[in-house]
Amino acid sequence: GQQVMQIPQYQHVQEGEDFTTYCNSSTTLSNIQWYKQRPGGHPVFLIQLVKSGEVKKQKRLTFQFGEAKKNSSLHITATQTTDVGTYFCATETPNAGGTSYGKLTFGQGTILTVHP
Amino acid sequence: EAQVTQNPRYLITVTGKKLTVTCSQNMNHEYMSWYRQDPGLGLRQIYYSMNVEVTDKGDVPEGYKVSRKEKRNFPLILESPSPNQTSLYFCASSFYGGRGSPLHFGNGTRLTVT
Repeated sequence: GQQVMQIPQYQHVQEGEDFTTYCNSSTTLSNIQWYKQRPGGHPVFLIQLVKSGEVKKQKRLTFQFGEAKKNSSLHITATQTTDVGTYFCATETPNAGGTSYGKLTFGQGTILTVHP
Repeated sequence: EAQVTQNPRYLITVTGKKLTVTCSQNMNHEYMSWYRQDPGLGLRQIYYSMNVEVTDKGDVPEGYKVSRKEKRNFPLILESPSPNQTSLYFCASSFYGGRGSPLHFGNGTRLTVT
């Protein structure tokens, strides 16, 4: 199945520093979604990117989709303690018969720790 | 309140004893899916359902069964649980599958098989 590699696995930052996590694929992605999971919680949808080269912002968060649609990044400017958690990328892939896109493949996640 | 409800939240069982984890959504979503989360492996899809009576395998379906007899319910069945199925399980739903519709997750079920 589709593989999406996410790096780094862990990131420790001081409050106020920036943070970036990357998702990479060897094949072209139909789209990329980003989710955040707080410690002890469940994943929560952040955003979806569909177009080549797309950039979207949500306050201090910037999401990018690569020109070749094979990679994506999430950048947080000036981290805060409320940013702690695990950030996942995910992409939809076709089933074995290519008849539906219900399969969703997640990256391994990046665990962000923010030290006050 | 719009939500995905999983039960139970915690479950400890023994090898071979059949169990069911229930999942229900009240948002009239067509798409539902099950994931397991293990350290270092992220979220891996077990099964998904594009609509009632339509189910398909995800990446790790072995040892699991699902059914979608009603739109709102999507139970996960472990006929003969084994210790390697010890994990954190999430149910999720969305309006449509395969069209970028955001997933809404339940609160998770932490399963331990001894």
